[in-house]
Amino acid sequence: NAGVMQNPRHLVRRRGQEARLRCSPMKGHSHVYWYRQLPEEGLKFMVYLQKENIIDESGMPKERFSAEFPKEGPSILRIQQVVRGDSAAYFCASSPPTTETQYFGPGTRLLVL
Amino acid sequence: AQSVTQPDIHITVSEGASLELRCNYSYGATPYLFWYVQSPGQGLQLLLKYFSGDTLVQGIKGFEAEFKRSQSSFNLRKPSVHWSDAAEYFCAVAEGTGGFKTIFGAGTRLFVKA
Repeated sequence: NAGVMQNPRHLVRRRGQEARLRCSPMKGHSHVYWYRQLPEEGLKFMVYLQKENIIDESGMPKERFSAEFPKEGPSILRIQQVVRGDSAAYFCASSPPTTETQYFGPGTRLLVL
Repeated sequence: AQSVTQPDIHITVSEGASLELRCNYSYGATPYLFWYVQSPGQGLQLLLKYFSGDTLVQGIKGFEAEFKRSQSSFNLRKPSVHWSDAAEYFCAVAEGTGGFKTIFGAGTRLFVKA
């Protein structure tokens, strides 16, 4: 049973470009969470999604950031018009329904030049 | 609002010595508590978790943690540290309403000296 997959593992973008981060949850997991980790900091919650629904986006910046988890395919975290302050590691976690335990992917490290 | 405090930014212990990493949380109800470990450039691995019941929980790699409601603490311990334990350790608390959004502490980096 494969774990949570994230790609790309590393992503370099110039200021103003778009970044798309993908997360494939573990088999049987219908809940996806996205977290951001700035250098030398802990993880900060961004958004919680179930299939085709955003359940809690209280941690998402109000502009430029969006997330989706379609019926088919991976969850996508999209960052439009990236700025240097978006440089961070972005982690995805997944869980089955009604369980507290989240399984984390290896992360995508975004560098904005 | 919930919060998690890890008072020690970094700790250095000798190989074979005992270890205790501190964690304090702020949460109104009985929390779901976790400890994760992160090696450089890697994702997070779950060490152990507490939801209810016995307040002393055992985890992987010889780690254990004790939930103390009166102190709002969930400290992580290991009786004998190995060099491979050097990593960043995160304490976390999860809400249990409408999903399990998790709040992380800032982390404690563990250094192990020979």
